[in-house]
Amino acid sequence: DAKTTQPTSMDCAEGRAANLPCNHSTISGNEYVYWYRQIHSQGPQYIIHGLKNNETNEMASLIITEDRKSSTLILPHATLRDTAVYYCIVRVNSNSGYALNFGKGTSLLVTP
Amino acid sequence: GAVVSQHPSWVICKSGTSVKIECRSLDFQATTMFWYRQFPKQSLMLMATSNEGSKATYEQGVEKDKFLINHASLTLSTLTVTSAHPEDSSFYICSASPFGYEQYFGPGTRLTVT
Repeated sequence: DAKTTQPTSMDCAEGRAANLPCNHSTISGNEYVYWYRQIHSQGPQYIIHGLKNNETNEMASLIITEDRKSSTLILPHATLRDTAVYYCIVRVNSNSGYALNFGKGTSLLVTP
Repeated sequence: GAVVSQHPSWVICKSGTSVKIECRSLDFQATTMFWYRQFPKQSLMLMATSNEGSKATYEQGVEKDKFLINHASLTLSTLTVTSAHPEDSSFYICSASPFGYEQYFGPGTRLTVT
C-alpha cells in the first residue's frame, strides 16, 4: 500500500470547517483513499473513502486532487466531539479483505 | 448496521495468567477478522489476520504461541493472551469486514497485566 503523510496535529474552532490534508504521492491507480478516525480509548470509526472523484456523506467530504497525489478530508462544521486522531489510509479494495495500515495520523483538537 | 463488539472492555490480570478476548460481528458475517494492538500514544499495529475455519496469519514479530487466535464461526473470533506479562498491557482492537473492504472496528479491550 502507498505511504501517506499527514500533519501531526491541527486545531479547529467549533463550528468552523476542519480541513485535514493527506499526501499520498506514490498512490497506484487501483488504490483507494480511506479516512478513519479514533476518539480516545475507542476503536477506529470509518468516515469516508474514494478513488478519484470527490465524495460526500453525512459525516464529511473527501476532496481528491486530479493527479490523486493528495487529498483533503473536510468536516464542514466541526464539533467538540470531532476531537480525535484522523487516519488517512491508501489501499486496494479486495473481497478477500485486507488489513489497514495505520500511520501516525493527525490529532485534531476542536476548541470551543 | 455493521456492529462489532468486544468482550471484555477492560481486564486486569496477574502476570503469568491467560486472558481471552472475544470479538463478535453482531449483524453480519465476517470471513476475515483482524486483530490490532495499540500502545499508549502510538498507532494501531496489526497483529494477525483471522480467517474462519483456518489458522491465523501472524505479522512478523508477533508470537503465535503467545497470542492464540481462534475463528470458529463467521461471527466470532477470539484472542487469548497466554502467560501474560506486564509488557503485554495494551489496547487490543479487532475489526471485521462484511464485504471485504469496508472494515468495522470493535470498541477495544484494555488489558492491564500486574
